[in-house]
Amino acid sequence: QQQVKQSPQSLIVQKGGISIINCAYENTAFDYFPWYQQFPGKGPALLIAIRPDVSEKKEGRFTISFNKSAKQFSLHIMDSQPGDSATYFCAARGSGGSNYKLTFGKGTLLTVNP
Amino acid sequence: GAGVSQSPRYKVTKRGQDVTLRCDPISSHATLYWYQQALGQGPEFLTYFNYEAQPDKSGLPSDRFSAERPEGSISTLTIQRTEQRDSAMYRCASSLGPSGVHEQFFGPGTRLTVL
Repeated sequence: QQQVKQSPQSLIVQKGGISIINCAYENTAFDYFPWYQQFPGKGPALLIAIRPDVSEKKEGRFTISFNKSAKQFSLHIMDSQPGDSATYFCAARGSGGSNYKLTFGKGTLLTVNP
Repeated sequence: GAGVSQSPRYKVTKRGQDVTLRCDPISSHATLYWYQQALGQGPEFLTYFNYEAQPDKSGLPSDRFSAERPEGSISTLTIQRTEQRDSAMYRCASSLGPSGVHEQFFGPGTRLTVL
């Protein structure tokens, strides 16, 4: 059972464009939703995260939008740059006794063309 | 070191052999996690440690998989009698404390190929 569904699998964007990656979750007990960025040969690195009591969080060119009723959240990358080319993973963290466990989506390979 | 390190970076083994993967977490970090990442998938939780204690092994795929962290620092993941389906990237992560509020820092992973 895939608890966090991520789309699209891959995305090609022109430099300066907006990249949008979507995730949906099933478990209402999730209470923290991070996005990770992974470059080839490296491990995932935390990019930005949101809690369900907030509908949007912005850090520089990166914004998370969160829709609690729809159980969906998305990552928007404004003014996308070739250096943003990477694999992006959404994730969700359990609450209470499971607050150490991250459940990841399958990832989105983003390519930003110059 | 500055980050999480893992060794070896690549391991090729024959079916039926045992393999041991090593993780060296960030020195101040109490909590250590192991994940399995198949090609084209996100990391999947295997197990974690708070210091030496291993509160959750629920993600280990079978009893062929075991992990240790005897001194609360370096950890090893051992796969006995490897099978081709064990081929994957194995990632280690560490965090400052046991609570989920602490960011997990991931290592570069060990790519395991079972022939």
